[in-house]
Amino acid sequence: DAGVIQSPRHEVTEMGQEVTLRCKPISGHNSLFWYRQTMMRGLELLIYFNNNVPIDDSGMPEDRFSAKMPNASFSTLKIQPSEPRDSAVYFCASSSSRGLNQPQHFGDGTRLSIL
Amino acid sequence: QKEVEQNSGPLSVPEGAIASLNCTYSDRGSQSFFWYRQYSGKSPELIMSIYSNGDKEDGRFTAQLNKASQYVSLLIRDSQPSDSATYLCAVVVGDYKLSFGAGTTVTVRA
Repeated sequence: DAGVIQSPRHEVTEMGQEVTLRCKPISGHNSLFWYRQTMMRGLELLIYFNNNVPIDDSGMPEDRFSAKMPNASFSTLKIQPSEPRDSAVYFCASSSSRGLNQPQHFGDGTRLSIL
Repeated sequence: QKEVEQNSGPLSVPEGAIASLNCTYSDRGSQSFFWYRQYSGKSPELIMSIYSNGDKEDGRFTAQLNKASQYVSLLIRDSQPSDSATYLCAVVVGDYKLSFGAGTTVTVRA
């Protein structure tokens, strides 16, 4: 079975540019999570979707960050404008329920560098 | 107080030894607990889940849960060089939020 698929794997761009990260969850999973991982802060939850609806976006750092899930098989995380402090690894994860008792499965991540 | 705390590493063990990783959590209502393994430059990979007090064994891995003490542990028996990685303790807080510890880096010496 295909796991969570993220693209691109690596992104290097200049400050001020728009960045779009993409995620395809595991088929049949109805919960999708976006995380950011840095050495300083570890893994942080940015936003959680259930059945394509954003349930909790309290982890989105600021208005420059936005996320959408137009259908059950696709989600995007957008940063506009990007800043050097946004450099991190961004992971998408999915699970088959609201999360209780069901583990989350992670994609390979997008390593983002903002110059 | 952090939601999930792990014993600070790094932890270095000789090949064949037991590696012991510890984790405490603050939300007494948490019911689901996971251990993820993350190799350098890779994504977290689920290796164990535990929901009830006691021990759960899967191959060389044993997870232990004590809800009264709000404590979760992971034992790796017969440690192999391929076990060298960062191990993340994760606890479900509330209905869905998975809160991660900072991780413990394990190095198995050949």
